[in-house]
Amino acid sequence: GAGVSQTPSNKVTEKGKYVELRCDPISGHTALYWYRQSLGQGPEFLIYFQGTGAADDSGLPNDRFFAVRPEGSVSTLKIQRTERGDSAVYLCASSPTGSHEQFFGPGTRLTVL
Amino acid sequence: AQSVTQLDSQVPVFEEAPVELRCNYSSSVSVYLFWYVQYPNQGLQLLLKYLSGSTLVESINGFEAEFNKSQTSFHLRKPSVHISDTAEYFCAAWAGDKIIFGKGTRLHILP
Repeated sequence: GAGVSQTPSNKVTEKGKYVELRCDPISGHTALYWYRQSLGQGPEFLIYFQGTGAADDSGLPNDRFFAVRPEGSVSTLKIQRTERGDSAVYLCASSPTGSHEQFFGPGTRLTVL
Repeated sequence: AQSVTQLDSQVPVFEEAPVELRCNYSSSVSVYLFWYVQYPNQGLQLLLKYLSGSTLVESINGFEAEFNKSQTSFHLRKPSVHISDTAEYFCAAWAGDKIIFGKGTRLHILP
């Protein structure tokens, strides 16, 4: 079946611009997670959705980062006033209810010039 | 603090030789433990997991990991590596409602 998909696969933007990254989870998975992976590091947690609501957003680095999941399926990670330090691979994962296993998408590589 | 520590950033090993990738976790995370693998230019894939039961868990491609509570370790081993095992390996632990990852170990297979 279809796995987690993320678009775009690559995004290059200029410092100060606004970007949106999209995640399409596996159908029926109620939990959705966003992680950020910087060069040479493991993925770092950003935010977790259970259904439509953000159950844990403690990993968002500052108020320039925001994510939504309005219908409990597709999620969008939004970054305002991008900075060069935001450059990273942004990973999305989904999980069935009650499972500890997360299924990851291929990621979006964000480059801020 | 919740943490997962991978002691080696890179491990070079000859093809067909055994390998061990080390992982330690802090006692403040739960004992749901994972190894994920990231092949070149691919996404993260679950390699194996420990949730409960037998402390030795195995993957379909010959890797195994042993949960050791007294040493807070979850080392990954393979008795004979193949060139196709070239990848980055991430140890991870469940921490409440999210996964905490180690920094990764790059396995470099030498011909």
